[in-house]
Amino acid sequence: KQEVTQIPAALSVPEGENLVLNCSFTDSAIYNLQWFRQDPGKGLTSLLLIQSSQREQTSGRLNASLDKSSGRSTLYIAASQPGDSATYLCAVSYTNAGKSTFGDGTTLTVKP
Amino acid sequence: NAGVTQTPKFRVLKTGQSMTLLCAQDMNHEYMYWYRQDPGMGLRLIHYSVGEGTTAKGEVPDGYNVSRLKKQNFLLGLESAAPSQTSVYFCASSSGTSGETQYFGPGTRLLVL
Repeated sequence: KQEVTQIPAALSVPEGENLVLNCSFTDSAIYNLQWFRQDPGKGLTSLLLIQSSQREQTSGRLNASLDKSSGRSTLYIAASQPGDSATYLCAVSYTNAGKSTFGDGTTLTVKP
Repeated sequence: NAGVTQTPKFRVLKTGQSMTLLCAQDMNHEYMYWYRQDPGMGLRLIHYSVGEGTTAKGEVPDGYNVSRLKKQNFLLGLESAAPSQTSVYFCASSSGTSGETQYFGPGTRLLVL
């Protein structure tokens, strides 16, 4: 069974800090990996998608990296803002059917 | 373009009652998914569909049935609700094209008493 683990479960930082969220997966034969954001009581919003042939993706202050050989991905958030406070979920797909295995998420709080 | 919508937003059921959750997408996506989200267990795939008229089981399919009679709709049914099915249910869709993400609906909160 594929497993996806996210560490830490919760993180609190002061505004302006750069931070890294971690995601590890047990089976390295992935199709793609996605990072999502979830605000309380809301659905998931896709942030970045990395295909298996890629090493990283960037969008604004966000950078996601993928190392299949070690079974790890990181989400780097630069110059964090209070509006970044949310739960960040990592999801791994192993086929093009899009079925994803999700981690439990990291809940980020950015304090003003 | 509404994206992915879910009906209802919230529902309370008694044990043994039945209900159907509706998911609709207006992006002409081939693939649709039903997940449940529970504290400490993340999102788990219940059932999914790779096209109109097709469905398949996910990780936790027991107690649920699905139908995809129209490409834009994906229905999740609970024939006899149990307290263990208290959860937040999310529907998602994707084009199936490499590099394309899943789009999620806002969720349905279900409480089974």
